[in-house]
Amino acid sequence: DVKVTQSSRYLVKRTGEKVFLECVQDMDHENMFWYRQDPGLGLRLIYFSYDVKMKEKGDIPEGYSVSREKKERFSLILESASTNQTSMYLCASSSLGRVWGETQYFGPGTRLLVL
Amino acid sequence: DQQVKQNSPSLSVQEGRISILNCDYTNSMFDYFLWYKKYPAEGPTFLISISSIKDKNEDGRFTVFLNKSAKHLSLHIVPSQPGDSAVYFCAASNRANAGKSTFGDGTTLTVKP
Repeated sequence: DVKVTQSSRYLVKRTGEKVFLECVQDMDHENMFWYRQDPGLGLRLIYFSYDVKMKEKGDIPEGYSVSREKKERFSLILESASTNQTSMYLCASSSLGRVWGETQYFGPGTRLLVL
Repeated sequence: DQQVKQNSPSLSVQEGRISILNCDYTNSMFDYFLWYKKYPAEGPTFLISISSIKDKNEDGRFTVFLNKSAKHLSLHIVPSQPGDSAVYFCAASNRANAGKSTFGDGTTLTVKP
């Protein structure tokens, strides 16, 4: 079974703090993704990575950065947290090996509250 | 411009009846479609998928139908069970786009006993 783990289930931070969200997958997947989920807005892609040290912006990258130093680990960084970054953050991974599309495997999510 | 739309935020059905969840897309380059299911406080899990060369894919109680000309897909759950109550996300992808998927906003399904 693919396992995607996220470092925290719940996190409370103050405005202006630097926040690190860590994600680890154990299936040697090439692709990794960070999404945020907000009521009525579905899943919005923040950043994704298709290889070590490679990253691409998703739909809403402003205020975020990412790091992928090892294949299994993908970190999301909020340089200076703001209240509008209060959300559920979901990490996912997928392989590149299929012919038709890629199923993504998600972690349990981190619910971040910025005060 | 939202490329994948689920126009019904919520759906309520009686146990044993059919649930039909709908999804529309605008990008004709999408060639693979997926449905994910999400329970509260958990990440989404893959449910069923369909490629653009097919118009139907069935897996147990779940069937996905694809109408390419209408750019529409639907998920049928028969018979619906209370444990099916969850948020369902439709997603679409393009082989040329590094495995990225574009997600809809989700539909909350409630199956009443």
